[in-house]
Amino acid sequence: DAGVTQSPTHLIKTRGQQVTLRCSPKSGHDTVSWYQQALGQGPQFIFQYYEEEERQRGNFPDRFSGHQFPNYSSELNVNALLLGDSALYLCASSRRDPTQYFGPGTRLTVL
Amino acid sequence: GIQVEQSPPDLILQEGANSTLRCNFSDSVNNLQWFHQNPWGQLINLFYIPSGTKQNGRLSATTVATERYSLLYISSSQTTDSGVYFCAVGKSNFGNEKLTFGTGTRLTIIP
Repeated sequence: DAGVTQSPTHLIKTRGQQVTLRCSPKSGHDTVSWYQQALGQGPQFIFQYYEEEERQRGNFPDRFSGHQFPNYSSELNVNALLLGDSALYLCASSRRDPTQYFGPGTRLTVL
Repeated sequence: GIQVEQSPPDLILQEGANSTLRCNFSDSVNNLQWFHQNPWGQLINLFYIPSGTKQNGRLSATTVATERYSLLYISSSQTTDSGVYFCAVGKSNFGNEKLTFGTGTRLTIIP
């Protein structure tokens, strides 16, 4: 049973560029949440997708957007990258169960 | 929003020692999870424990919901226990609730 997978593992971009990160949930899970973890901090909630719609959103600007596909996989898009967007981006999946399972993350560096 | 505080921020122990990590939260919750983040960034689920006590091998956890705190106990520490331990809380006990993380406790086990 595959766990949560994310791609790519690492990514380097320059300021002003756009980036797309991808997540495949654990088998049988239908809810995907995205978190940003800055260096030395705990993960912060960006948004959550269920039934292809954004269900909840944290305190992040509109530059952060997402999408969920019919197979429950999800994308996180960040436009107009800033240096402060450099972080580990984590995807978590769940299914009507309080336990959320996290993927290995994508480490984004913005130069 | 809910505030989550973890203590101590850093802990350095000799292999074989025992440790207690604490998580305080500012509001009532129906979801509390403990995670271990390994050096590669992967968040590993340890416990889902909104109340009561659970044990899994050398690890155990207790949550006193009425007093808004949770404790994670690690006995007979091994070097593989090193990493950052996070407590995360949510208002809902379904998988559709965002998790609010603390800033973590960095545990270093010295051989």
